[in-house]
Amino acid sequence: DSGVTQTPKHLITATGQRVTLRCSPRSGDLSVYWYQQSLDQGLQFLIQYYNGEERAKGNILERFSAQQFPDLHSELNLSSLELGDSALYFCASSVERQKLTYEQYFGPGTRLTVT
Amino acid sequence: EDQVTQSPEALRLQEGESSSLNCSYTVSGLRGLFWYRQDPGKGPEFLFTLYSAGEEKEKERLKATLTKKESFLHITAPKPEDSATYLCAVQGYGNKLVFGAGTILRVKS
Repeated sequence: DSGVTQTPKHLITATGQRVTLRCSPRSGDLSVYWYQQSLDQGLQFLIQYYNGEERAKGNILERFSAQQFPDLHSELNLSSLELGDSALYFCASSVERQKLTYEQYFGPGTRLTVT
Repeated sequence: EDQVTQSPEALRLQEGESSSLNCSYTVSGLRGLFWYRQDPGKGPEFLFTLYSAGEEKEKERLKATLTKKESFLHITAPKPEDSATYLCAVQGYGNKLVFGAGTILRVKS
């Protein structure tokens, strides 16, 4: 158990809909990262938040957005869903101090199926 | 652009048959190279961080090494429970992790 929690575990929805995925980082971790993993794309970095502020952006679509709240939990919002958005979505957290590198610990993921 | 290439894509070993997985990388200023293990449908599990060429780290039957261009994950006398996908990732000055496609390891008893 990494200490990172994600809800829900599974989500089935229709094209065009909007969903929200939730992540709680490990106690004491200030950084939260979101990743998408599909069979053909592998593990792709989407976005990072550090202590409530956006820190880095990866291959995140404009239909997707995220935020980190004062209690450090984070939400990933996916809208106008398409079949191709079906994937595993992982959240990770790390301590991250300025100019130092810390390993990221991953949650169990949310499996999104768009029908 | 940072890139990671892992080989082989898949590896089948007999229990006790030692081998190595390769991770080749190009990165603008290496801040860290990470190895993760991932079981099907689960989140990646952190194994090692390597920071500079020449560094080595060990954990049970696993040993990770790092050069300026590649990293190796050596598996000594593997057991069936070592079967998983092993992911390599690099972090450069851009701060984000870039993952390779992974090596699927199957160990048969």
